Amino acid sequence: QQQVKQSPQSLIVQKGGISIINCAYENTAFDYFPWYQQFPGKGPALLIAIRPDVSEKKEGRFTISFNKSAKQFSLHIMDSQPGDSATYFCAASLRGGGNKLTFGTGTQLKVEL
Amino acid sequence: GAVVSQHPSWVICKSGTSVKIECRSLDFQATTMFWYRQFPKQSLMLMATSNEGSKATYEQGVEKDKFLINHASLTLSTLTVTSAHPEDSSFYICSAGEGLYETQYFGPGTRLLVL
Repeated sequence: QQQVKQSPQSLIVQKGGISIINCAYENTAFDYFPWYQQFPGKGPALLIAIRPDVSEKKEGRFTISFNKSAKQFSLHIMDSQPGDSATYFCAASLRGGGNKLTFGTGTQLKVEL
Repeated sequence: GAVVSQHPSWVICKSGTSVKIECRSLDFQATTMFWYRQFPKQSLMLMATSNEGSKATYEQGVEKDKFLINHASLTLSTLTVTSAHPEDSSFYICSAGEGLYETQYFGPGTRLLVL
């Protein structure tokens, strides 16, 4: 019940295209859904996060779409750039659970020229 | 803001020795810090939750006597890998919770290689 399922495992997108990564969760008590970006050899960096009281959040080229009834959320990267090539992790947590993050398995994104 | 540092970034040690990794929140106070382990091309595995002034809470399967965690202040947590063995070689990452909702900010990681 604590799992967060992430897909796809890897993704290749042309420069300027839209990258879409999906996550699904089971625990309806989760109340915080962040996305992290990780480059090789570096720690994850917080990209964008959403709470279940909104259905969408946009920050620059990055958008989170949240579907509470389907227990799914996704990351959209508009106008993808080669510099976006990284591994992306979705996560979920609940305050009552000590704010521990449950991570998805990660998506390796490659943006080609 | 919300910067977390780790030291060292790289460490090579001999089997049987102990290694200490420091995690600091540079511009905020963190009541809670977390320690993760990550294997190549895999997700982050939570090892333990570190609370300032109290004992760490370890995840199932993590040996607390092997991975000693100390959270001495609101800006510093340390992870000591005791009697390290080659199988302990990994990428260790800490995070610190900041703000009302304890948003987690991660350090740059420490790569440990045990020979």
